[in-house]
Parts: sequence; structure tokens; C-alpha cells
Amino acid sequence: SQTIHQWPATLVQPVGSPLSLECTVEGTSNPNLYWYRQAAGRGLQLLFYSVGIGQISSEVPQNLSASRPQDRQFILSSKKLLLSDSGFYLCAWTRNGNEIEQYFGPGTRLTVT
Amino acid sequence: LAKTTQPISMDSYEGQEVNITCSHNNIATNDYITWYQQFPSQGPRFIIQGYKTKVTNEVASLFIPADRKSSTLSLPRVSLSDTAVYYCLVGDRTPGTASKLTFGTGTRLQVTL
Repeated sequence: SQTIHQWPATLVQPVGSPLSLECTVEGTSNPNLYWYRQAAGRGLQLLFYSVGIGQISSEVPQNLSASRPQDRQFILSSKKLLLSDSGFYLCAWTRNGNEIEQYFGPGTRLTVT
Repeated sequence: LAKTTQPISMDSYEGQEVNITCSHNNIATNDYITWYQQFPSQGPRFIIQGYKTKVTNEVASLFIPADRKSSTLSLPRVSLSDTAVYYCLVGDRTPGTASKLTFGTGTRLQVTL
């Protein structure tokens, strides 16, 4: 069966510090991968998606970036965090061929202080 | 891009059947309807997906009328553990189209004794 991992589970970082969140998927190959952010009490905002190694599409201009160094690894980064980067970050994957059936990871709660 | 409208919140007693309706008046021919469930501090969980008529799985049923301009998620005999936010999404399953999906604020279902 397929599983998706995210770490860390929680993170408290000062403004201006760098960020690296990692997501890995097991049990499948060539998944499409997604990064979402959810602010408190809000819906999910798609940040990035990737259909393959090194292929990243950005949905929202911001100080975040994403990379996919391996088939089942997706990394969300920032060089300098802003207060507005606080939120719940979710990674998801889909099988190529059914884009609207997404499977989410447990999420990372980021607080920028 | 099909926009969806669903109630902000609903209340139910344990043991009742709950029906959550979603409107999607401009649904396209290639679009499918998908529902997700999200508990606090967790990622959304895929519940059910359909194109037309009725789909049933071990968790819920999805009713879609012939014009497909709305859909109803039916949860039989809810329990306290069904308290969650439920999202209705409409989108194309074609690879590369997930960027057009929108998780809105969903419907917050509160189940009480």
C-alpha cells in the first residue's frame, strides 16, 4: 500500500530564517506531487505541483520554492521566512490519470515568530 | 473552472443520516465530483468520487442528478467521529489539471449526542 510522510510535524521558526519541509511517498512510482498551505480556518491553497523529477509548477508567487530531487521526494523551501508563511503545510500525491483523487500527508504545522 | 458552493456548517445528532449538497452550475463535460473529509490538524482524506447517478462505498454515497449541476454527499448514521469539514471538489481527472482544483472552506459538520 502507499504511504506519504511529512516532516517535521511541527516547526517554530523566527522571521528571516530558512525553511525546509520534506515529503516522501512510498509504494508507488512516478506520482504527481503537490504542496498546499492552509491558514487557520481557511481552505487549502495550492502552492506547487510536480509531475516528475525536476519539474515544478508554481501556482502562487511568493518567497517559497519547491524541488523534486527524486521521484518520490518533494521539498518545500524558503531562504527567509515571513510571518505570513505561518500555516499548515500539506503534501499530497495522485496517480497520474486521476488528478482529483489526492492522498494527503499528515502535514507540518509551521509557526513563524 | 467549475466553482462550487456548499453550506458553511451543518449540525446533526448521532445516528442520523446527513446529506450535504454542493452546487456546481458550470460543471464541464469532463469534470468529476469528489468529496474529501478533514479532521483538525490532519490532511484531507478522499471519501468518494463520481461522474453521474449514484456511487456508494463503505463510507458514503454520492448522488448526482442528470444535469450534474449539484451533488449530495450522504453519510448514513453519523457518529461523533464524523465531526469534520467536508469539501466538494469538481475537476478534470486529466493529468496536469490538478492545479485547477479549489479546496474552498468546505462544510463544517458538527455531530452531537
